[in-house]
Amino acid sequence: DQQVKQNSPSLSVQEGRISILNCDYTNSMFDYFLWYKKYPAEGPTFLISISSIKDKNEDGRFTVFLNKSAKHLSLHIVPSQPGDSAVYFCAASAWAGNNRKLIWGLGTSLAVNP
Amino acid sequence: DGGITQSPKYLFRKEGQNVTLSCEQNLNHDAMYWYRQDPGQGLRLIYYSQIVNDFQKGDIAEGYSVSREKKESFPLTVTSAQKNPTAFYLCASSMGEIPGLAGDDEQFFGPGTRLTVL
Repeated sequence: DQQVKQNSPSLSVQEGRISILNCDYTNSMFDYFLWYKKYPAEGPTFLISISSIKDKNEDGRFTVFLNKSAKHLSLHIVPSQPGDSAVYFCAASAWAGNNRKLIWGLGTSLAVNP
Repeated sequence: DGGITQSPKYLFRKEGQNVTLSCEQNLNHDAMYWYRQDPGQGLRLIYYSQIVNDFQKGDIAEGYSVSREKKESFPLTVTSAQKNPTAFYLCASSMGEIPGLAGDDEQFFGPGTRLTVL
């Protein structure tokens, strides 16, 4: 059962417009959320994160919004650039016993068209 | 430059052979992880280690083995018991759990190894 869901496998956006990638989660114990970007045949790279005590975190063109009541977060990229074309993974973490456990979504493939 | 290295980038093996994938980090991280990615799928956790000489099974540990004799190194052996070994394997590390510091959840990834079993 997927605890972290990225319901859109793919998204296509025009260069310069906003890209919105969505992520839903089911476990209310998640207290930290991360977005990663991955190019083909490379390892994911960390993009931006947000703690559950916040509802927004911004870093340059990237903003993550968290709606705890809806168990939903989204990543906004403004303006979108062709170099943003990649797979974006949402991940959420929580305590599992004495350890932290990170749960990954299946990813959304973003294509930014020139 | 601090980072994680995985070698080799591409690896070919015959069916029935064991193969070991290398992962080294110089970030002084306590925790290390192995993931597998298949086409159209997310990252699935194979094994992880929070500290030297200790490791735990992830979600898909069957057919794999690991060791953690040094903080910097976390090699993964894909054994002949793994039914579908052809995949992209990713190693990651993180600072490890420090109570109350959820920001340490960030994992840093290596470039990956593409294993093809013929």
